[in-house]
Amino acid sequence: GQQLNQSPQSMFIQEGEDVSMNCTSSSIFNTWLWYKQDPGEGPVLLIALYKAGELTSNGRLTAQFGITRKDSFLNISASIPSDVGIYFCAGRFQGGSEKLVFGKGTKLTVNP
Amino acid sequence: DTEVTQTPKHLVMGMTNKKSLKCEQHMGHRAMYWYKQKAKKPPELMFVYSYEKLSINESVPSRFSPECPNSSLLNLHLHALQPEDSALYLCASSRYGAPDETQYFGPGTRLLVL
Repeated sequence: GQQLNQSPQSMFIQEGEDVSMNCTSSSIFNTWLWYKQDPGEGPVLLIALYKAGELTSNGRLTAQFGITRKDSFLNISASIPSDVGIYFCAGRFQGGSEKLVFGKGTKLTVNP
Repeated sequence: DTEVTQTPKHLVMGMTNKKSLKCEQHMGHRAMYWYKQKAKKPPELMFVYSYEKLSINESVPSRFSPECPNSSLLNLHLHALQPEDSALYLCASSRYGAPDETQYFGPGTRLLVL
């Protein structure tokens, strides 16, 4: 079946460090979305990517849609304590419907 | 405004109760979604409504009954639930339901079934 692999599963970093996480798939994606979820809350959209090679920034966050359309990464620069949470990649496979497929999430812990 | 609201925020119910979850958006979106999320797992799609018609049912048990009274509202009626149905229930919306759209999520309803 179509699967989305997200790594790492968890990260423990010091405040001020940069962070990188990625998602890969064996199938081609049309859309990549990156969400952040705080405990007990709904996912909040961080960055949306729609074209292969697209590189988009949102403040300290940068994400890219891989050239092969099978991967995406999210970088966070100069991490701060409020960056703590679970980050999910999500996307739609080529030829898919409105169904969004989610990665398993990366849990980020930032030590002050 | 990219806000999706959900009520209640928390719900505790017994296995014989009937309750409803509500979701509302005023972004003019014509596609709305229900997701179920267990702890430390990603959201799992349950239902999709497109232009107030049910377009996707991911083989969800009939004890969950969705309803879309109008383009701004989405309900999820709950009846005879099981303890394993305890989870965070998320509502989302997107502009038309097209494959290249962004989905915006509400804060969720934390459901506990006793």
